[in-house]
Amino acid sequence: DGGITQSPKYLFRKEGQNVTLSCEQNLNHDAMYWYRQDPGQGLRLIYYSQIVNDFQKGDIAEGYSVSREKKESFPLTVTSAQKNPTAFYLCASSPPRQGVLRGEQFFGPGTRLTVL
Amino acid sequence: AQSVTQLDSHVSVSEGTPVLLRCNYSSSYSPSLFWYVQHPNKGLQLLLKYTSAATLVKGINGFEAEFKKSETSFHLTKPSAHMSDAAEYFCVVSDPYNTDKLIFGTGTRLQVFP
Repeated sequence: DGGITQSPKYLFRKEGQNVTLSCEQNLNHDAMYWYRQDPGQGLRLIYYSQIVNDFQKGDIAEGYSVSREKKESFPLTVTSAQKNPTAFYLCASSPPRQGVLRGEQFFGPGTRLTVL
Repeated sequence: AQSVTQLDSHVSVSEGTPVLLRCNYSSSYSPSLFWYVQHPNKGLQLLLKYTSAATLVKGINGFEAEFKKSETSFHLTKPSAHMSDAAEYFCVVSDPYNTDKLIFGTGTRLQVFP
């Protein structure tokens, strides 16, 4: 059963703690993405990776870090430097480009992070 | 800069009546456009996509959208709403300068009343 898994589904963190969100895919996709979703807003891109061992900052990368050591995995760390980390976090992946077009992204079920 | 505007933050319809969710885009190039649906506390699921082939695009669950270049619109429609259609809908355009990036609208919440 191919897809994207995110864990945990719900996560609680105390202020000042770093926390890592897991994202795994078995779709053999080369590109992976992390988004943040807040109520009433669209998705905002945090980081993305087009290939193993390479990643780029998105629109709101401050206070976050990522790694891409394996094609299947793209974990996101929310650091204590992130001022307002409470949000719904979505991971996505997309297949190889067809020409210049990357095509659609496939999303995981999300992790809801709450800072206490 | 590329952008997407979803004209309604909330739409309410009765079950069995038509659905219209409006989306306008801004793009200097021929864009790729998508509609995604999100049920509460779930990830996003692709409904349909436009990539410069037919301008009328059919998607899953009876949804379709028409690309109108002259109006820079990509409205989502369904002839007859079902209770299970209640969800958040996002219109999305690909960034033509970086096709690895998607630009999301702010979403339209669809309510369906019995």
